[in-house]
Amino acid sequence: SQTIHQWPATLVQPVGSPLSLECTVEGTSNPNLYWYRQAAGRGLQLLFYSVGIGQISSEVPQNLSASRPQDRQFILSSKKLLLSDSGFYLCAWKTSGVSYEQYFGPGTRLTVT
Amino acid sequence: AQSVTQLDSHVSVSEGTPVLLRCNYSSSYSPSLFWYVQHPNKGLQLLLKYTSAATLVKGINGFEAEFKKSETSFHLTKPSAHMSDAAEYFCVVRAQAGGTSYGKLTFGQGTILTVHP
Repeated sequence: SQTIHQWPATLVQPVGSPLSLECTVEGTSNPNLYWYRQAAGRGLQLLFYSVGIGQISSEVPQNLSASRPQDRQFILSSKKLLLSDSGFYLCAWKTSGVSYEQYFGPGTRLTVT
Repeated sequence: AQSVTQLDSHVSVSEGTPVLLRCNYSSSYSPSLFWYVQHPNKGLQLLLKYTSAATLVKGINGFEAEFKKSETSFHLTKPSAHMSDAAEYFCVVRAQAGGTSYGKLTFGQGTILTVHP
């Protein structure tokens, strides 16, 4: 069966520090991968998605970037965090076939102080 | 463009009573629709999905939803609420495949379900 991992689970970082969040998927090949942010009182905002290694599409101009160095690894990064980057970050995957549902990881709670 | 509106931001029920979470969608083509549940500080879990087969869809934990094209609705129901159902629920529509929108989902703003003993 497929599983998705995210780490760390929680993170507290000062403004201006770098960020690296990692997501890995097991039990599937060539998945589509997604990064979402969920801010308090707001819905889910799609940040990036990837349909293959090295292929990244950005949905919202921002202080963040994403990379996909391996088929089942998706990384969210920032060079300098802003207070507004605080939130709950969720990684998700779907098969590259015709099914449309996405499966979510446990999330990372980021607090920028 | 696709959109989804969850009509209630909060719903409160007593344990053992029915649950109704309302969702209307807008889509220029036959949509794929989903309900997800999120418990506090957890990821989202897929409850059920509609993909143009049967209009009444059964999901996990006793939930079901009915696709009504004439009403553009996809309401989530459960006959008898349990304390463990307390969570936030998201109605979701799939964006049109192809081009830069492939595989994207559009989420509603969420409905927080509270279950009282």
